[in-house]
Amino acid sequence: DIQMTQSPSSLSASVGDRVTITCRASQGISSYLAWYQQKPGKVPKLLIYAASTLQSGVPSRFSGSGSGTDFTLTISSLQPEDVATYYCQKYNSAPHTFGQGTKLEIK
Amino acid sequence: QVQLVQSGAEVKKPGASVKVSCQASGYTFTNYYMHWVRQAPGQGLEWMGIINPSGGSTSYTQKFQGRVTMTRDTSTSTVYLELSSLRSEDTAVYYCVSRLAATEWYFDYWGQGTLVTVSS
Repeated sequence: DIQMTQSPSSLSASVGDRVTITCRASQGISSYLAWYQQKPGKVPKLLIYAASTLQSGVPSRFSGSGSGTDFTLTISSLQPEDVATYYCQKYNSAPHTFGQGTKLEIK
Repeated sequence: QVQLVQSGAEVKKPGASVKVSCQASGYTFTNYYMHWVRQAPGQGLEWMGIINPSGGSTSYTQKFQGRVTMTRDTSTSTVYLELSSLRSEDTAVYYCVSRLAATEWYFDYWGQGTLVTVSS
């Protein structure tokens, strides 16, 4: 099975900072990658699909890039409401594995 | 609007089974697959498997083969997740999730989650 590895596992940044989270697949998955945001005690929310397509209603400060095995989620200007854990997910074929998550905090 | 409404929290003893339900509304139930994802306390998301509500066919991740059964009731637009031989490591929130499309299964619809606690 393809493994999904995120880095870093946790991250602390200041309001207004540019933040980048990386997701690496153990084999190529083309652009079949999604990103989710999960705030404490809440259900995960879809942010990005097809590696770089922003889900409707998601603020434009979020962006995604990559294809093949290496992907990034970028927040261009960190806001207090972005405190959450972020997950990547592959969906090219089953199993539709998630990364282990990146916990983002405000410094 | 699309809604996935799950059954309430469960407490089970090790070795027992649990059955969690997920009732769908706001779309044609038999047109789109349903998946189950779980999340242990403080841990990440884990995809468990998929069911086709139309014909009832299923596919499970290998980790759960032999212990998991996904079924559906088209008369009530409900899917079920049954997990047997429960152990403490199965303590988790279980989510039904879907995307209203035939393929490319990322998930834009999530149930509210059902906490299953396994404890003696």
